[in-house]
Amino acid sequence: KNQVEQSPQSLIILEGKNCTLQCNYTVSPFSNLRWYKQDTGRGPVSLTIMTFSENTKSNGRYTATLDADTKQSSLHITASQLSDSASYICVVSDRGSTLGRLYFGRGTQLTVWP
Amino acid sequence: EADIYQTPRYLVIGTGKKITLECSQTMGHDKMYWYQQDPGMELHLIHYSYGVNSTEKGDLSSESTVSRIRTEHFPLTLESARPSHTSQYLCASSDSKDSPGGVTYEQYFGPGTRLTVT
Repeated sequence: KNQVEQSPQSLIILEGKNCTLQCNYTVSPFSNLRWYKQDTGRGPVSLTIMTFSENTKSNGRYTATLDADTKQSSLHITASQLSDSASYICVVSDRGSTLGRLYFGRGTQLTVWP
Repeated sequence: EADIYQTPRYLVIGTGKKITLECSQTMGHDKMYWYQQDPGMELHLIHYSYGVNSTEKGDLSSESTVSRIRTEHFPLTLESARPSHTSQYLCASSDSKDSPGGVTYEQYFGPGTRLTVT
């Protein structure tokens, strides 16, 4: 069964601090992995997308890593800001799908305190 | 920001009413999707469409129906709303890009409709 597991479920950090979110997946055959940010009451917005040949990708203060051998990914946020408070969702796509089927994790709820 | 819109954003309605959630996109994408999301839970695919006149049920069984008469429009209808339908409904559309890992489909999400059935 294709699954995406994220940890921690929730995280509270102080403004300015760094944090790392984890994602493990069993989706096969693997096509790509994305990290989305979802603000409360809004739709998810893509932060990064990585294929199997990429092992790191940055988008401003967000840096995602991918280890396709161990099927693990992480999202590192540096110098956190209050606006980073949101749910961060790991999403994996399989190669065989012509639909673009996505497998979603439950997300890590990040809260940044002043 | 993606050009995909959903209305209404919030809806509170009584049991037994018929409702239609609207979704439209101006990006010309062929593929469109409806997801259902409960608080703290993952998104579940309930309907998708490859293009005009194409609709399929997703992974999660849903009593809702969809239609795709125009490329840009993908409405979802509940004939008789029940409290168990209370949830957030997210619409998405996707394009396709060639990449080393094969074709990738970038999904763009609308802001969602928060439905409460009393």
